[in-house]
Order: sequence, then C-alpha cells, then structure tokens
Amino acid sequence: DIVMTQSPDSLAVSLGERATINCKSSQSVLYSSNSKNYLAWYQQKPGQPPKLLIYWASTRESGVPDRFSGSGSGTDFTLTISSLQAEDVAVYYCQQYYGTRFTFGQGTKLEIK
Amino acid sequence: EVQLVESGGDLVQPGGSLRLSCATSGFTFSDSWMSWVRQAPGKGLQWVANIKHDGSEKYYVDSVEDRFTISRDNTKKSLYLQMNSLRAEDTAVYYCARFRGQGWFDSWGQGTLVTVSS
Repeated sequence: DIVMTQSPDSLAVSLGERATINCKSSQSVLYSSNSKNYLAWYQQKPGQPPKLLIYWASTRESGVPDRFSGSGSGTDFTLTISSLQAEDVAVYYCQQYYGTRFTFGQGTKLEIK
Repeated sequence: EVQLVESGGDLVQPGGSLRLSCATSGFTFSDSWMSWVRQAPGKGLQWVANIKHDGSEKYYVDSVEDRFTISRDNTKKSLYLQMNSLRAEDTAVYYCARFRGQGWFDSWGQGTLVTVSS
C-alpha cells in the first residue's frame, strides 16, 4: 500500500499569515496516461466529518475559498493557506486514490499562534 | 442536498458482530461508488472499503479483509457494512462517504461510533 506522510504534525501560524502543509507519498501517485496526480486534501474541524478541499492535487472543490491551494506532483505535495483565518483551525489530511486501495496521511493540526 | 446518515453503531464484545447502515438522499445513489472510512478516537482517518455503483466490485483495507463485508441496496439507496470477528482496534467512528471521480470523497455522513470492548 502507498504510505502517505505529512509534515509537520502540528503547526501554529499567526492570523493573516501563510500556512504550508506537506504530504509525501511512498510511491508516485502521478498517472502517466492522463498526467493527473491522484491526491486530495481534506479539512476536519472538531466533532465534524472531513470536508473535501482539493482533488487532482490542485483542483479546488466548489465553494472552497481561494486562499486554499494545492500544488506538487509525483510524490511531493503541498497545501497552502495564503492568509490564515480563525475558521481555518482544523486538522488537515492528504489522501491518495491511486489504484483501488486508498490511504490518508496522519494529519496536520493547524492552530493560531 | 446530499445527505448521508449512518446508524447501527454500538458497544460490542470482542469477537462479536455488527451491521452498519447508511441511508442516503439528494443524489443518484445507483450511479455512485460508495465507501466506509473510519477514525479511531483521537486518531486519523483510515479508508475501510469501497463498493462500485452496481456492487460488482469491492475493495477493502488489509486489516478488515475476510472480516468485513460492504454491500448496498440501490432500491433503498442504502449502504451497509457487516462487521464480524470484531477486535478492540476496530473501535472507531465509521463514516459513510460518497466517492467521486477516481476516488476522492466529496460528501460524508456524521458518523456512527463502534466500540469493541468487554
């Protein structure tokens, strides 16, 4: 199975500042036939189910604020929040969907400094 | 509006069985792959199983293979997870999720808690 490793495990950022979360896969999730990276990002707030933010590594889900962006290819990916808002405090997960068995990263807890 | 509502979670003894259900509305269930994802208390997310829209393909995480069975009833717009030989490590909130595209989850239920303990 593909192992997803996020860094850091936790992160504290000041309001209005940039937050960057990394995700590394144990093998490439770039499918050569369509040049797409099979990677998604989710946000989970306490007591709530996860919410989809990004898929295909960089495509923002409808309704997600444009301060959220995804980048990367192959095995290394990044979720960036350009200007942190109070409502962005949450745990963030990456997920690969390359093949038939999916895996999530361990999560990154984002807090306000 | 897409709605997914899980039920069936309970306290069960190790070695016991439980069946989870997920009632859906607001989308064409029979056209959608569906999944179960779980989250142990205070831990991260773990994908458990997927099922194709017609039930012809099913995939499981290794740790539940041969113990759990995912199924669906398209006439009832419902998803199920039959869990047998339950272990303490199966304790988690179980989420029903709609699988879109090649495998991202765009809609989630609120989850149902399964506790395996004597």
